[in-house]
Amino acid sequence: NAGVTQTPKFRVLKTGQSMTLLCAQDMNHEYMYWYRQDPGMGLRLIHYSVGEGTTAKGEVPDGYNVSRLKKQNFLLGLESAAPSQTSVYFCASSPDPAGTGELFFGEGSRLTVL
Amino acid sequence: GQNIDQPTEMTATEGAIVQINCTYQTSGFNGLFWYQQHAGEAPTFLSYNVLDGLEEKGRFSSFLSRSKGYSYLLLKELQMKDSASYLCAVRDSNYQLIWGAGTKLIIKP
Repeated sequence: NAGVTQTPKFRVLKTGQSMTLLCAQDMNHEYMYWYRQDPGMGLRLIHYSVGEGTTAKGEVPDGYNVSRLKKQNFLLGLESAAPSQTSVYFCASSPDPAGTGELFFGEGSRLTVL
Repeated sequence: GQNIDQPTEMTATEGAIVQINCTYQTSGFNGLFWYQQHAGEAPTFLSYNVLDGLEEKGRFSSFLSRSKGYSYLLLKELQMKDSASYLCAVRDSNYQLIWGAGTKLIIKP
């Protein structure tokens, strides 16, 4: 039972480089989210998706793009990495945001931009 | 603006009881969540409150007062493995989660 899997777990980039974080879930959840977590701050929503083929902006979308071509996958792209994007990125999924709305998180991807 | 406040850090003794408070000001309210996050790991769901009152789940209980914009997480019979950060989150009128910065709980033997 894999749940939510993120790759890669760690990555170091130079300013201006691009990269993609992959999130895969095997729970058939409709909703998927990308968050970033920085010291002293709460989780901040970057982008989210309410189903295959849909994406929407969250609280801090600038500098990121996402795609949800398949229901089980949610990709987060950094077009031109900046040091301010150094963070831990968490992907999460949920079956429904209503009800208990429990989020299932991946293990996180630690990104450092030099 | 929307705001979730919780203490940055708390210390407690193994076997004791600790209460972690969370106050919130949000655009609407559709539930309050507590998550546990061990260092270097992903957050995991602990509890959900949408009505006023106490929800008990084993050693953990969560309380909500919507009129006061206040919740607490109560941990009983503390164990060393309870050392973690505890995240409070409120679901607003748009069903978006607003997260507090988390409370780091340190358990001493």
